[in-house]
Order: sequence, then C-alpha cells, then structure tokens
Amino acid sequence: NAGVTQTPKFQVLKTGQSMTLQCAQDMNHEYMSWYRQDPGMGLRLIHYSVGAGITDQGEVPNGYNVSRSTTEDFPLRLLSAAPSQTSVYFCASRMFVNTEAFFGQGTRLTVV
Amino acid sequence: AQTVTQSQPEMSVQEAETVTLSCTYDTSESDYYLFWYKQPPSRQMILVIRQEAYKQQNATENRFSVNFQKAAKSFSLKISDSQLGDAAMYFCAYRSAKNYGGATNKLIFGTGTLLAVQP
Repeated sequence: NAGVTQTPKFQVLKTGQSMTLQCAQDMNHEYMSWYRQDPGMGLRLIHYSVGAGITDQGEVPNGYNVSRSTTEDFPLRLLSAAPSQTSVYFCASRMFVNTEAFFGQGTRLTVV
Repeated sequence: AQTVTQSQPEMSVQEAETVTLSCTYDTSESDYYLFWYKQPPSRQMILVIRQEAYKQQNATENRFSVNFQKAAKSFSLKISDSQLGDAAMYFCAYRSAKNYGGATNKLIFGTGTLLAVQP
C-alpha cells in the first residue's frame, strides 16, 4: 500500500521555469491538499480539493495552479518559478471530513 | 482567525525519561480537532495523536499522551520512556470541525519543536 506518493523528491529550477509537482494516492481519498513548509513557519496550505473536479485556494495560493481530474491525482503547477517558492512541498489526503490527513514524503524545491 | 503557538523551538530529553511539549491555540470555535505530527529527518509527516475538542478524556497512544485543557486552549504532548527514535520535529496542528469557507480542509500548524533525545 503506497499511500501518498510525491514526485520528484528533489528539484532545482531556474527563475522563470515552470514545472509540475506530482501527487498520487491509492487510498480512494476524496480530500487532497498541498502545503508548503518554510523554516520557522510550520506548514501553510496552498490549495485543496474536496473531490474530482473541485479545487479551492488555501492560505498562500499565489503562483500556483492545481487541477483534479481524477480522485487519485492532484498535481501542483508552478507557472513561472520565483526564488520565494523555494520550499518543501507536501501533499496530503484524507478520506472524510473528520479523519486525519496522510502526508507524502515531500518535495524539496530550490529556485535559483 | 485561528492560530497555533509552540513556544519551545528546541527541547532535549534523556533516553527513558519523560518530556512534555507545549502547544497553545487561539480560536472562537467550540468544535475542532487537534493533532500532534512528528517529522523525523526523513521529512515524512507522521500523525502521533489526535484529540476531538468535544471529548473531555485526554487521548493516549502507547507512550504518547496529551493534556487537553479546552478552557485554557492548551494541548501539550507528553512522551514517556523517551527513545532515540523519538528525536524529531514535532508539530501541533488545529483543524475546524465546521466547514465555514472550507475551514475543515485547512490544517493550521504551529512552528514546531525540535526534540533531541540524549543517550
């Protein structure tokens, strides 16, 4: 049982480049989220989805796009990377509104 | 808006001893969930323990227990018989139980406490 899988684990981008962080879960969870973790700031919510075709913004959505075409996948797109997006990104999923979240192993992204 | 505060950036404990990590939160809601997550050097976020605000009984999971004081808005984590594998960053997190504006979809994290375990 793979749980929540994020790829890649590490990535270096140049300013202005675009890329997609992949997130897939095999638990048939309806709820999926993206967080970023910065030193001294804990984790902050970027975007979330409550089911296929339904997404919404979190606390820090600027510079990121998401879509949810299937229950399993929830990719995060950076359209034009900026150094301020250097961070560790976590994808999380959960089954129901009152259950706990399961996290992927994170992607460390560096924008130079 | 809800906030979560962890006032201890770093803590240290001797192996086999007990340590308590502090967490306070601010909310005007009466229904919510509180969590402690562990993040070892592998970066994986692992759920340690969960508490529903409507439950008066403190949650326990093996060597991990919480002291939930709803009126004081305090949610501390006690680790008994500390082991070397307990060394990690620990995050306290809050989530609303009522879905106003998608609030139930948002985990609000504290800034973390880095726990070192001395052999």
